[in-house]
Amino acid sequence: DIVLTQSPDSLAVSLGERATINCKSSQSIFFSSTGFNYLAWFQQKPGQPPKLLIYWASIRESGVPDRFSGSGSETDFTLTINNLQAEDVALYYCQQYYSSPFTFGQGTKLEIE
Amino acid sequence: QVQLQESGPRLVKPSGTLSLSCAVSGGSISSSNWWSWVRQSPGKGLEWIGEIFHSGNSNYNPSLKGRVTILVDKSKNQFSLKLTSVTAADTAVYYCARRFKTFDIWGQGTMVTVSS
Repeated sequence: DIVLTQSPDSLAVSLGERATINCKSSQSIFFSSTGFNYLAWFQQKPGQPPKLLIYWASIRESGVPDRFSGSGSETDFTLTINNLQAEDVALYYCQQYYSSPFTFGQGTKLEIE
Repeated sequence: QVQLQESGPRLVKPSGTLSLSCAVSGGSISSSNWWSWVRQSPGKGLEWIGEIFHSGNSNYNPSLKGRVTILVDKSKNQFSLKLTSVTAADTAVYYCARRFKTFDIWGQGTMVTVSS
């Protein structure tokens, strides 16, 4: 199985500042024949299902604010949230869909400082 | 807009079978998507259980050691999950989800507790 390790486990950021969450894969999730990294980012608020934010490592899902961005390739990926808003407080997960079984990172808890 | 809704018993006895259904509305289960089950427990985070295509082709997480069966019912536009020989470790929130690339649409989830 591909193991995804997120860092940090939690972070506190001031309103209006930038939050950065990292995700490291135990193997490359870049598929050369498609040119895509098979990585997604999800946001989960209490009592709600995960919400897809980013797929193909850097493509924002429709309706996701442009302060959310994803980057990285092969084994190292980053979710960046610029101009942090109060509604961004949530758990964030990375997830690989390169190979079955599809796996998730352990999650990062984002709070307001 | 496609929506998913889980249903089924919230309490299952140890060694019993957990059975859930996921109703698909606003779209056809015969579209070119995979239909998945994902669970979330405090101890293990988010865990992909398995998925099915409308043709009946399915994939399962080997970690569940053959206890899982996912079926599709095109006449009812729904799919289902059966998990046998459950223990307390199977207590979790169970989500159904559509997979197009990755999990882009989720149900609200249903909490299932395994307890006598």
